[in-house]
Amino acid sequence: QVQLQESGPGLVKPSDTLSLTCAVSGYSISSSHWWGWIRQPPGKGLEWIGYIYDSETAYYNPSLKSRVTMSVDTAKNQFSLKLTSVTAVDTAVFYCARKLRGSYSFDYWGQGTLVTVSS
Amino acid sequence: EIVLTQSPGTLSLSPGERATLSCRASQSVSSSYLAWYQQKPGRAPRLLIYDASSRATGIPDRFSGSGSGTDFTLTISRLEPEDFAVYYCQQYDSSRMYTFGQGTKLEIK
Repeated sequence: QVQLQESGPGLVKPSDTLSLTCAVSGYSISSSHWWGWIRQPPGKGLEWIGYIYDSETAYYNPSLKSRVTMSVDTAKNQFSLKLTSVTAVDTAVFYCARKLRGSYSFDYWGQGTLVTVSS
Repeated sequence: EIVLTQSPGTLSLSPGERATLSCRASQSVSSSYLAWYQQKPGRAPRLLIYDASSRATGIPDRFSGSGSGTDFTLTISRLEPEDFAVYYCQQYDSSRMYTFGQGTKLEIK
């Protein structure tokens, strides 16, 4: 059973860097899949942040590209998100997810973690 | 960027009724690139339909997807109490960008 679990600080100060990790269990992150991040501001809709295949291949939402970096740690079977220069508008529930192979959708999701940007 | 517009914003129906949810794209979307999700309060989205009409693993056959080009539909043939939730459509385009619709809330009448 594939499981994803987000972790990281629940509170980040404005202008700081938001850092989250997604631990994957029941499946090797090295297997041919894309691993992504999606966020959802409180009471609002979903926004794709980006996804990563391996240490050299990642795609990001153009609106966030200048502030986003994703990485993978195959030894720990996890992947990570860094979002720099955060402001209050970055407050959201952040989900990690696995892209369904052969399709352009996300079949496994973490439970989500709320990150609040506030001083 | 392709914009997805879902309608209606809220749909009020009773258990046992048929639900029809619409997703309209601002440009043509490949059927292979259209998906539907269900989200309940405090929970992560759940993949229902991918490639516009293929049910994800474990999804009951009362859920079906159809459409092509700019108009896509999610149909729930007979509503069960657990189906009342928010539904999102999602697309992928050639610029390697994913976007979601704003959601349709399906509520009990």
